[in-house]
Amino acid sequence: DTGVSQDPRHKITKRGQNVTFRCDPISEHNRLYWYRQTLGQGPEFLTYFQNEAQLEKSRLLSDRFSAERPKGSFSTLEIQRTEQGDSAMYLCASSLEDYGYTFGSGTRLTVV
Amino acid sequence: GDSVTQMEGPVTLSEEAFLTINCTYTATGYPSLFWYVQYPGEGLQLLLKATKADDKGSNKGFEATYRKETTSFHLEKGSVQVSDSAVYFCALGSSASKIIFGSGTRLSIRP
Repeated sequence: DTGVSQDPRHKITKRGQNVTFRCDPISEHNRLYWYRQTLGQGPEFLTYFQNEAQLEKSRLLSDRFSAERPKGSFSTLEIQRTEQGDSAMYLCASSLEDYGYTFGSGTRLTVV
Repeated sequence: GDSVTQMEGPVTLSEEAFLTINCTYTATGYPSLFWYVQYPGEGLQLLLKATKADDKGSNKGFEATYRKETTSFHLEKGSVQVSDSAVYFCALGSSASKIIFGSGTRLSIRP
């Protein structure tokens, strides 16, 4: 069990570019969550998968954001046409049971 | 909707001082309640939890009691150490096993 892995750890991109982040959950965990955390704030829920099905999306997740979890294993979060307001830490968590989250270390996105 | 309000930081204490970080919540029903901790340079970790009224969660000398009547889940520790310096997040379990977090309280402990 290597925990939840996120890649990359840091990403700097120019405004208007597309970026994609990857999350590898703990292998036996069927639930996967994406959160966004800005400086001085707590994590905000973005979306949730149970196996490969995306069951809930926050209103924070605009049309520029899309998440997938093919085959119920790893997940990707893509942001199209990035804006400066997208700069944040993007956190992934996985769980096997209700609320038993294990968080990854996050991907820090800076849009310049 | 469901929400969590916690004490604003930063909080600075001397080693061996008593710690309280206040947390109150708004939710329908009786959600599970959590405290998470984020040490410098590390990811979020679950510190303790309570799943029903009057439950007390405890870990590493920290405690919090689920108070339904005051909708509170205050974090306490009798004697803090420098190694407790971190950001602490109060949180509640909402629908679809989703967790809603407070804004965090930064704690600094002076030797």
